[in-house]
Amino acid sequence: GAVVSQHPSWVICKSGTSVKIECRSLDFQATTMFWYRQFPKQSLMLMATSNEGSKATYEQGVEKDKFLINHASLTLSTLTVTSAHPEDSSFYICSAPNPAEETQYFGPGTRLLVL
Amino acid sequence: AQTVTQSQPEMSVQEAETVTLSCTYDTSESDYYLFWYKQPPSRQMILVIRQEAYKQQNATENRFSVNFQKAAKSFSLKISDSQLGDAAMYFCAYAPGGGNKLTFGTGTQLKVEL
Repeated sequence: GAVVSQHPSWVICKSGTSVKIECRSLDFQATTMFWYRQFPKQSLMLMATSNEGSKATYEQGVEKDKFLINHASLTLSTLTVTSAHPEDSSFYICSAPNPAEETQYFGPGTRLLVL
Repeated sequence: AQTVTQSQPEMSVQEAETVTLSCTYDTSESDYYLFWYKQPPSRQMILVIRQEAYKQQNATENRFSVNFQKAAKSFSLKISDSQLGDAAMYFCAYAPGGGNKLTFGTGTQLKVEL
């Protein structure tokens, strides 16, 4: 199956700093990618839809100025957590649909810990 | 809005036995997709099986099969000949036509016992 990578897999940062997470589709092009957040022992909550060449679409309750999304190319989307605070600590997962297979593939996730 | 409900927070099964995980959903759409994803301790989401709503035939993938009841909006997953490697969190998910924007259920933690 198709592969989606995320970088970094683990990040620890100080409160007030910004953190950038990259999501790449390695063997297919994705005009759309999705960003999810998952708290321990909970389900995945969709945060936003990343659109290549246009602005991201955010789900209700997600602060767009807090979670900046840039879809720089057909294989790369980035999520930047700005001025991170301890409550932003979570597991962030991206996904990309492979149009040839009509299936979404998920990255391995990024664990963020804000101290 | 679409909702996905998994009423079993935890399930246990003996190795080599069969287990069924339940999922119900609510939608007013006629064209949609349903999925089961597996999340092992590594937390990598892995697609187990998918079902197109327009197909009446239940999807199967080796030891995994679904019971899709469209009128009842039910989508259960049956795992046959359970193996230790099947132990994971299982999420049922819904996507409207186009299969992109997923809505997940709350998950069922499956334990496989010797």
